[in-house]
Amino acid sequence: EIVMTQSPATLSVSPGERANLFCRASQSVSNNLAWYQQIPGQAPRLLIYGASTRATGVPARFSGSGSGTELTLAISSLQSEDFAVYYCQQYDTWPWTFGLGTKVEIK
Amino acid sequence: QVQLQQSGPRLVKPSQTLSLTCAISGDSVSANTVTWSWFRQSPLRGLEWLGGTYYRSKWNNDYALSVKSRITINPDTTNNQFSLQLNSVTPEDTAVYYCARAKGGYFAYWGQGTLVTVSS
Repeated sequence: EIVMTQSPATLSVSPGERANLFCRASQSVSNNLAWYQQIPGQAPRLLIYGASTRATGVPARFSGSGSGTELTLAISSLQSEDFAVYYCQQYDTWPWTFGLGTKVEIK
Repeated sequence: QVQLQQSGPRLVKPSQTLSLTCAISGDSVSANTVTWSWFRQSPLRGLEWLGGTYYRSKWNNDYALSVKSRITINPDTTNNQFSLQLNSVTPEDTAVYYCARAKGGYFAYWGQGTLVTVSS
């Protein structure tokens, strides 16, 4: 199965700053990648699919890029509600697999 | 708007069966473009996909290798829901369990989550 490796494990960022989260796949996933946000105590929320398409209602400060084995989620100006754990998921090859997540915390 | 509502016991004894149900509104369990899945999440395992069921002219199931010998996911077309059964549970099966819908491979809709504790 495809292994998804996310980095860094934890990212400390000040409100208003930019955050870049990385997801590396053990083999190409093309652009068949999704990003999710999870706030403690809540279910994951879909942010991005198709590597770069924002889901309904997702603010424009979230953007996805990349394809193949190196993909990125950028948050342009962190708001208080963005401090959470972010997961990537590939759906190119069965079984679909998730990364272990990046925790974005307040610096 | 699709909504998923989970129900089931929150405490299960070791060696017994964990059973959860996910009721669907705003979609059909028999829709032939979606997959209905169960996940669990724990500090030890992270977010783990357990398996799913889907209809493509006939009913199909896929299960994660880690639980394949113990898991059953069944659709219930009468009540428009699907269920999870995990047999022979141990304390390591303690986790928050989620149901979710995938369309195109990604999961846009999730249940609220159920913390299931395996303990005597």
